[in-house]
Amino acid sequence: NAGVTQTPKFQVLKTGQSMTLQCAQDMNHEYMSWYRQDPGMGLRLIHYSVGAGITDQGEVPNGYNVSRSTTEDFPLRLLSAAPSQTSVYFCASRARGYGYTFGSGTRLTVV
Amino acid sequence: AQKITQTQPGMFVQEKEAVTLDCTYDTSDPSYGLFWYKQPSSGEMIFLIYQGSYDQQNATEGRYSLNFQKARKSANLVISASQLGDSAMYFCAMRDLNAGGTSYGKLTFGQGTILTVHP
Repeated sequence: NAGVTQTPKFQVLKTGQSMTLQCAQDMNHEYMSWYRQDPGMGLRLIHYSVGAGITDQGEVPNGYNVSRSTTEDFPLRLLSAAPSQTSVYFCASRARGYGYTFGSGTRLTVV
Repeated sequence: AQKITQTQPGMFVQEKEAVTLDCTYDTSDPSYGLFWYKQPSSGEMIFLIYQGSYDQQNATEGRYSLNFQKARKSANLVISASQLGDSAMYFCAMRDLNAGGTSYGKLTFGQGTILTVHP
């Protein structure tokens, strides 16, 4: 099915561990982004990409890295997990125009 | 800076009745887009409706309509004939169409309103 696929859906990490959240879309969207959702704060932009090889920071980038080697994939790396990174993470893509498509989210707990 | 305010943490409505979810926004950009998303308990973000700042008419999508009052900077979502499946968190979001740098393509979200539909 066309859309944005995120894996894993759930993850528990220990403080200091690293991991990669995967995001893939099959709609040939140029723009992809990562958000985190925390209670009472809505969603906040972490990083975004406007095409393969081009990435930039959003409003809360610290502790996260991204890369975009292909149009389809936009992984988010946590370098050294901290409890403050416990959150629900959403990947979203957008074609030209206005429509954003969100993945189903990854619920991450850092203990 | 952009800001979205949703002042209703929770709303209740009887099945088959209409409900309005409030959203006010603040931006200095004359060109922007307003979105509403639904997040059911399963967690996914579902796009409902979009309104551009230069659109002359209020947007409608089936049972959803957006009451856009530009001078008051409000973009309230109206759900007609509520259904039990409408129970969810609803987010209002905005994108400044001329934003660049760290704000390029960024959606600014409100804190959300939890809607509960009673049978």
